[in-house]
Amino acid sequence: NAGVTQTPKFQVLKTGQSMTLQCAQDMNHNSMYWYRQDPGMGLRLIYYSASEGTTDKGEVPNGYNVSRLNKREFSLRLESAAPSQTSVYFCASSVTLQGPNSPLHFGNGTRLTVT
Amino acid sequence: QQQVKQSPQSLIVQKGGISIINCAYENTAFDYFPWYQQFPGKGPALLIAIRPDVSEKKEGRFTISFNKSAKQFSLHIMDSQPGDSATYFCAASGSNDYKLSFGAGTTVTVRA
Repeated sequence: NAGVTQTPKFQVLKTGQSMTLQCAQDMNHNSMYWYRQDPGMGLRLIYYSASEGTTDKGEVPNGYNVSRLNKREFSLRLESAAPSQTSVYFCASSVTLQGPNSPLHFGNGTRLTVT
Repeated sequence: QQQVKQSPQSLIVQKGGISIINCAYENTAFDYFPWYQQFPGKGPALLIAIRPDVSEKKEGRFTISFNKSAKQFSLHIMDSQPGDSATYFCAASGSNDYKLSFGAGTTVTVRA
């Protein structure tokens, strides 16, 4: 029972390069999310998907795109990486949209460095 | 601009002591206040949560105290153990707004 699986675990990019972060969950959850974690900032929502076929912007969507490939998979793409995107990225899922009866389940993160 | 302000940034406590983390919010529409625990190299995981209809919730050694009039809530870790060493995030959301606003986090170190 893997829960939420993120790949890769670590990545170093040069400014301007592109990459896709992958996320898959095996809990049959409907909602999925991408967060970034920066020191002193907590976790900030980048994009989320309430259900298969829908995606919406979160708090800090600029410079990112997402794809909800199917119910299990939700990817995050950086088209042209910038040093400001150096962060730890977490994927999360929940049964329905986050709330008292639907807590977030997080993956173990991808540590991304942009030089 | 963070909607949930968390303090302290870090704290060190001796084994058996009490750890206290405080959070404050401004948005009166918030009505769900979870705490997430994160170990190094892992993602956060839900620890305990409270709704405004109660002033305190206890689960084992972890207790949330909630003061609606002051718009503050806190996490108390009683009889702190080395295994409690982690980063703790408070968060808040509203009934009609499923987006969680997280505090900046508190790194707790429990010394044996």
